[in-house]
Amino acid sequence: GIQVEQSPPDLILQEGANSTLRCNFSDSVNNLQWFHQNPWGQLINLFYIPSGTKQNGRLSATTVATERYSLLYISSSQTTDSGVYFCASKRLGSARQLTFGSGTQLTVLP
Amino acid sequence: DAGVTQSPTHLIKTRGQQVTLRCSPISGHKSVSWYQQVLGQGPQFIFQYYEKEERGRGNFPDRFSARQFPNYSSELNVNALLLGDSALYLCASSFGGSLTYSNQPQHFGDGTRLSIL
Repeated sequence: GIQVEQSPPDLILQEGANSTLRCNFSDSVNNLQWFHQNPWGQLINLFYIPSGTKQNGRLSATTVATERYSLLYISSSQTTDSGVYFCASKRLGSARQLTFGSGTQLTVLP
Repeated sequence: DAGVTQSPTHLIKTRGQQVTLRCSPISGHKSVSWYQQVLGQGPQFIFQYYEKEERGRGNFPDRFSARQFPNYSSELNVNALLLGDSALYLCASSFGGSLTYSNQPQHFGDGTRLSIL
């Protein structure tokens, strides 16, 4: 199956700082999603972005499908941004499962 | 509109028991998938159901089973519970489950946290 790798595994920021999270995937995909899992375990959809660039407030994401990577940008981070960020993708031609990376644990300090 | 709803939110069982978890998809969504997330890891795929048929199965033992009902809700059953089954069980729904709609995003419920004593 497809391999999804995220980096860095851990990130500690001061409030107000910017950050970039990376997701590499091993095969062509037709579905790529970024999620934020809060401390209560809720998995929140951030972006559905199999290709191109999207922005939503302080967050934006870019996927370069031909080079098999996606980036999540967080600007002016806030303490409420803390949690685990997951990238998940679905291999082109597969209608079945999302394969998740191991996540980036983000801690934003006040 | 309501999102994906799961019940119960928490559950405590002992080894050897059986458990049933429930999921209602977003209105209009016909595909339901189940994932298991153990502490410190990303979710792992268990099953996908579409139009009441199993369309995909992950690498889980036969103790895990599921079904989908005519209203597209779903149940996940786990028999002969083991300590290692302690996890957050997530349900996700999407519009379709065929290859035509394989590029549709999945939307997750808040999960059922299962603890095995």
